[in-house]
Amino acid sequence: DAGITQSPRHKVTETGTPVTLRCHQTENHRYMYWYRQDPGHGLRLIHYSYGVKDTDKGEVSDGYSVSRSKTEDFLLTLESATSSQTSVYFCAITGTEYYGYTFGSGTRLTVV
Amino acid sequence: AQTVTQSQPEMSVQEAETVTLSCTYDTSESDYYLFWYKQPPSRQMILVIRQEAYKQQNATENRFSVNFQKAAKSFSLKISDSQLGDAAMYFCAYKTLIQGAQKLVFGQGTRLTINP
Repeated sequence: DAGITQSPRHKVTETGTPVTLRCHQTENHRYMYWYRQDPGHGLRLIHYSYGVKDTDKGEVSDGYSVSRSKTEDFLLTLESATSSQTSVYFCAITGTEYYGYTFGSGTRLTVV
Repeated sequence: AQTVTQSQPEMSVQEAETVTLSCTYDTSESDYYLFWYKQPPSRQMILVIRQEAYKQQNATENRFSVNFQKAAKSFSLKISDSQLGDAAMYFCAYKTLIQGAQKLVFGQGTRLTINP
């Protein structure tokens, strides 16, 4: 959707390597989120941010870290990728309590 | 913690017919938002419809409408005059109004197939 982009769109990496996914927004929204999508689980929250340098854990945060040094960028890092982290990762933003999220187009990550 | 349950992993309907997707949720809060998102094969998450818990009137967006039963904690999506383009995964989601978090909790999803 306009205003939010994720990169890369696809990535294949080896077990044990570090991986960083990027989310960039042009909406100046306060809240940014990282979700992972797996069959049978829907979307599950990994980490979220409520401002620059303000982040918190979601329900599946083990093995992931995040950083937000600027309003527009929210990075998700897998310090040492494992096969269980093979998934589709979505970034989302929201700026008001009255609406849902705007999602990025997702990153399909495969750990081999 | 809030939970959202979609008990129908898959549904199918004939083109032009009506289909209803089920969603239940668990919460102790009185004010919240509920959403239905559509995810076509392109993987994009598209907002279909939203409902504010304090509103008794069911939300409607063209062929999409909801049946919101607050006491039963039920939020079903009805799609009328189904079209081939409606084929997708549908996710029900809950959003708390508690300040600070603004987190969405999703159900497991329902895959909808439209038969021509």
